[in-house]
Amino acid sequence: QVTLKESGPGMLQPSQTLSLTCTFSGTSLSTSNMGLSWLRQPSGKGLEWLASIWNNDNYYNPSLRSRLTISKETSKNQVLLKFTSMEPADTATYYCAWISPYYYDGTYYYVMDAWGQGASVTVSS
Amino acid sequence: DIQMTQSPASLSASLEEIVTITCQASQDIGNWLAWYQQKPGKSPQLLIYGATSLADGVPSRFSGSRSGTQYSLKISRLQVEDPGIYYCLQGYSAPYTFGAGTKLELK
Repeated sequence: QVTLKESGPGMLQPSQTLSLTCTFSGTSLSTSNMGLSWLRQPSGKGLEWLASIWNNDNYYNPSLRSRLTISKETSKNQVLLKFTSMEPADTATYYCAWISPYYYDGTYYYVMDAWGQGASVTVSS
Repeated sequence: DIQMTQSPASLSASLEEIVTITCQASQDIGNWLAWYQQKPGKSPQLLIYGATSLADGVPSRFSGSRSGTQYSLKISRLQVEDPGIYYCLQGYSAPYTFGAGTKLELK
């Protein structure tokens, strides 16, 4: 069973850089076709995909690409997200989610099938 | 970016009632569609992937279907544990995009 947990500073000031860590267990990023995504959800609003690391490639939401860096520390079972120039509009719960392959009807689907509990981040002066 | 238009935004239904939620993709995404359920204060839980395949452990009253670029989630007999917010997600191409969500309540 895959479990994930996000950790971060909780609160930071505008213009600072957010550093988040997702620590996972029950799986490994060394396994091919596995990966991990970061997403966020402002309070009372919908979900937004931020970035993914999958098969040694990084993928970013183009609208936020200049501010995001995703990286992994395989030996520690961790994936990191750095988010620069934080502003109050970035206040949200940040989730990490595991990507697993599912074979169905002749196709492999890569699905975010396990999520962490979320880390609340508030940006305020 | 692929837009996912989800409807309705909210609905109220009675126990044992049939509930249907739809997502319209702005372009062809094949079967790269997943459905999630989110309860208050919790992270989303996977219900359906590949548009129609039920995830492990999900009750069989949940089902997914596709007609062209329209995708539907059906709950055949609403149960007391089913209220929450439901989201569709297209995994066809980055940026991966969600529908705005459907808030399901018990009448």
